[in-house]
Formats: sequence, structure tokens, C-alpha cells
Amino acid sequence: QKEVEQDPGPLSVPEGAIVSLNCTYSNSAFQYFMWYRQYSRKGPELLMYTYSSGNKEDGRFTAQVDKSSKYISLFIRDSQPSDSATYLCAMSRTYNTDKLIFGTGTRLQVFP
Amino acid sequence: KAGVTQTPRYLIKTRGQQVTLSCSPISGHRSVSWYQQTPGQGLQFLFEYFSETQRNKGNFPGRFSGRQFSNSRSEMNVSTLELGDSALYLCASSGETQYFGPGTRLLVL
Repeated sequence: QKEVEQDPGPLSVPEGAIVSLNCTYSNSAFQYFMWYRQYSRKGPELLMYTYSSGNKEDGRFTAQVDKSSKYISLFIRDSQPSDSATYLCAMSRTYNTDKLIFGTGTRLQVFP
Repeated sequence: KAGVTQTPRYLIKTRGQQVTLSCSPISGHRSVSWYQQTPGQGLQFLFEYFSETQRNKGNFPGRFSGRQFSNSRSEMNVSTLELGDSALYLCASSGETQYFGPGTRLLVL
């Protein structure tokens, strides 16, 4: 069993929809949780970064962490065709000194 | 501030050859991590360097090695290339968290 599980999709939604992306994990030592967006043939771009449980909002993006359920989510409001990309969750045990463990990524397509 | 740069962007090699990839981190960042990304396995951690010392290592064979220079630039080397080494190799520079470069796409024929 992988340490981090993520549905690979693809997820196809109409423009303006609310998108929910999720990851589950097994290692309770994870404390830092990230969401990256990766466009085709590009490197991952950091979207959101949260520590421990709770919510964090940045524009159209909201990240949620539920450590008791070992479950993290990324919500995208008012989705745009430019949001079409692969979304990767990642997590680590310590701040800035630990490797990131990634989910396999969810491919999202937002159609006009 | 300039981002993470990686060279070359694309590379084609044949089995048995060796390859060296280069990464320049964000100015002021002292930690550089390397990851391999393939469609089947996703992103997998190779190793991390901090102040010229390897601080963490993933589960890759000894054919994969790296180093870091005093200016924080890092190189990774893969010797005796195999077909399965074809992948996108990503370098990440650590500040508050990890910021990735565009990657080097390696094709082994």
C-alpha cells in the first residue's frame, strides 16, 4: 500500500464548477501538506502549503487537512479552463528537512 | 527572484551511457532535492543535499548519485543507463517548502 493515495482521474468538469480533489495517507507522522499544480511538460508549481489540521484559503483555492481521518482536500471555486492540469498532493514529516511524499496526481480538465 | 533552473531541458542517451544533470536553486536556498517522475511511479525522491552534504537519500540504486557545490548548485549523475531510467528529473529548491524547476526530460534508447 502506498503512503499517499490519490485518485488519478481524469476529472472533467464544466467551467465555473467547484472542483474537489482529495488524498488519503497512512503515515500519522506527516505534519506538512502541499498541493502542486503541474501543466503538461512543466515542473510542479506550488499552490498551497498548510501545517497540521485546518483550512487555508487563497483566492479560488481552499486546502483542508483532517489529520484525524488522514485526509486532505483541495477545492477550486469557479474553475477555469486554465485550471486544466494535473494536481499533486505532497506531504512531509518535518519542516524543510524531509523528503516530500507525493500522490500520483489527479488530472483535471475544465471545459468551456 | 529567479526560479530554479535546470539544464539541459531534454536529453537522449543510449543504454550503458552515463548522464549528468545540473540544477541551480533559488538564490539563498541551500537545500536541493532531486526527484524522478515517471507515468507509472509518479514522483519519487532521489536525494537531498544541504551545504554540500547529502542529507537524505531515497531508494534508488547506486547508479544514481549527486553532489552539491559551495554555491549550492547541484548535479546528479546516472551511470550505466537503463531503458527504465527514461523519466522527467526534477530538482527542487527548499525555502519555506520545495519549489521545483522545469525538469530535464531524459530518454534512454
